Amino acid sequence: DTAVSQTPKYLVTQMGNDKSIKCEQNLGHDTMYWYKQDSKKFLKIMFSYNNKELIINETVPNRFSPKSPDKAHLNLHINSLELGDSAVYFCASSHRQGPETQYFGPGTRLLVL
Amino acid sequence: AQSVTQPDIHITVSEGASLELRCNYSYGATPYLFWYVQSPGQGLQLLLKYFSGDTLVQGIKGFEAEFKRSQSSFNLRKPSVHWSDAAEYFCAVSAAQGAQKLVFGQGTRLTINP
Repeated sequence: DTAVSQTPKYLVTQMGNDKSIKCEQNLGHDTMYWYKQDSKKFLKIMFSYNNKELIINETVPNRFSPKSPDKAHLNLHINSLELGDSAVYFCASSHRQGPETQYFGPGTRLLVL
Repeated sequence: AQSVTQPDIHITVSEGASLELRCNYSYGATPYLFWYVQSPGQGLQLLLKYFSGDTLVQGIKGFEAEFKRSQSSFNLRKPSVHWSDAAEYFCAVSAAQGAQKLVFGQGTRLTINP
């Protein structure tokens, strides 16, 4: 009964490919997030959705497109992968917008060769 | 804009010793402050948070943190560390209003000597 789950856990792919990462939360939360953790462990927000509506887009390249089919899911599609996209991507969710605790998934480790 | 500084990139302490991890934030209004822990190869787990009220907050695993507005600090403490506390620790801040995003510090890696 994992609260926030991500698939796949590991993703190794070639430059130029398109890939997707899926995230699901079973906490009944309204708000979901994508964060990127680089090789120096620095965490930075990429996107946030509230009730399937995009509310935060932090100057992320257009190659990254989040999609929220329903409140419980927030997927991340990446086109034309580049070496610099190699990172750990974390999904998170919170009860609602506002100063809420965010619950994180286990992360997806993406390696672009 | 918010920012967080964790001055110590790596700290080593002996098992049973006390621990203090430093965190300084920059934010013009009342901050909401968090400490998360990341074990190797794992996601982030919330240790504790400060929203308002008592400036000394208790968290899980025996951790506590104290909010000091005058020093813009939110340092994490534990009186006696265990080998299982070895991990990466992140301090984060979020705004009190509007769309929420956590702004993280650079993290502090904690190593425990037996």
